[in-house]
Amino acid sequence: EAGVVQSPRYKIIEKKQPVAFWCNPISGHNTLYWYRQNLGQGPELLIRYENEEAVDDSQLPKDRFSAERLKGVDSTLKIQPAELGDSAVYLCASRGDRSNQPQHFGDGTRLSIL
Amino acid sequence: GENVEQHPSTLSVQEGDSAVIKCTYSDSASNYFPWYKQELGKGPQLIIDIRSNVGEKKDQRIAVTLNKTAKHFSLHITETQPEDSAVYFCAASIWDKLIFGTGTRLQVFP
Repeated sequence: EAGVVQSPRYKIIEKKQPVAFWCNPISGHNTLYWYRQNLGQGPELLIRYENEEAVDDSQLPKDRFSAERLKGVDSTLKIQPAELGDSAVYLCASRGDRSNQPQHFGDGTRLSIL
Repeated sequence: GENVEQHPSTLSVQEGDSAVIKCTYSDSASNYFPWYKQELGKGPQLIIDIRSNVGEKKDQRIAVTLNKTAKHFSLHITETQPEDSAVYFCAASIWDKLIFGTGTRLQVFP
């Protein structure tokens, strides 16, 4: 089966500009996650979706970050405006609905803020 | 909240030797412990996982052990190969939320 697909792979923007990332989860996976991974660190959860509902967004900086998953499949994560500290890799993961299913990650979008 | 500590941060071994990475967690309610391998420019890839009702799990050259009383779990790689070189992350899950360790960079020298 195809894995989690993310685009773009790389993005370079100037601070204060907007940016968006796109994620297509594994087919049939209703649970979707967005993580941020800073250099030399493990991923940190930003938001979790069950179908189109955000069930855990407690770690999402809501003043500048937003996410959506309108039809319960693809998802977008947006930053507006971007700040220098937002430079990181943004990872998307998905999980199947049967019990004891692990999370599968995409290859991420590497964001660099100039 | 949950906190996961991982050691060592770097590990160098000779090809064929064993490698051990250790993690501790703080919240006794955590019930799922996956290990991920991350190669440069790639996303984390699940290599093995263990649940709190199991003490040990093995898959070919990779094994994981869990000590719930001490709240620590370990990854064991035997007969290491150069292609095992990568960054390894442990994680603990509570209520479907993964908390990751800070990673171990493993280098296997031929």
